[in-house]
Amino acid sequence: AQTVTQSQPEMSVQEAETVTLSCTYDTSESNYYLFWYKQPPSRQMILVIRQEAYKQQNATENRFSVNFQKAAKSFSLKISDSQLGDTAMYFCAFMKGAQKLVFGQGTRLTINP
Amino acid sequence: DAGVTQSPTHLIKTRGQHVTLRCSPISGHKSVSWYQQVLGQGPQFIFQYYEKEERGRGNFPDRFSARQFPNYSSELNVNALLLGDSALYLCASTLGEGAGANVLTFGAGSRLTVL
Repeated sequence: AQTVTQSQPEMSVQEAETVTLSCTYDTSESNYYLFWYKQPPSRQMILVIRQEAYKQQNATENRFSVNFQKAAKSFSLKISDSQLGDTAMYFCAFMKGAQKLVFGQGTRLTINP
Repeated sequence: DAGVTQSPTHLIKTRGQHVTLRCSPISGHKSVSWYQQVLGQGPQFIFQYYEKEERGRGNFPDRFSARQFPNYSSELNVNALLLGDSALYLCASTLGEGAGANVLTFGAGSRLTVL
């Protein structure tokens, strides 16, 4: 069974700083997908970024980028020029094929003014 | 276009009662999944349906059941409610096939409190 581990329960940075959230996972699969989701206080889970395991190039979406290390089974999220609206719970998640998402425990990120 | 809609948004039940939660997927999406998120934890997979057929089931007791209707909307039913069923129940939809099959769009959830 796949597992996802987020070792940072909480993080706090100043606005405009760069922050990196950590995620490791365990799987015996070679083809899979990794995701970062954001859950603000409104509760709605919002997709931040997606990485396909067979692609070596790290995914980027505007201020959000990932560092995908397949051999180390590591998938960290970097947020550049952080904004107050980035304050939320961030969940790392794993998916094989089009099946279920396996989520980590989450990291609570606070951006301070 | 409307996103994934869930109802009700909040509800309170007592132990032993039954609850039905509803989800309408994004137009054109044929697959619906349900997740349970206990406070302070990541969501846990409950069910996945595609074209009205169950495609996957998580490690939940038989008190949990679901179905998908011809219009692709879905219901999650929980019988004999326990205090531990108190959680946010999230519904997500996807195209169900092709490149969009693994891109889930979530609704805002139904907050269930069991007293």
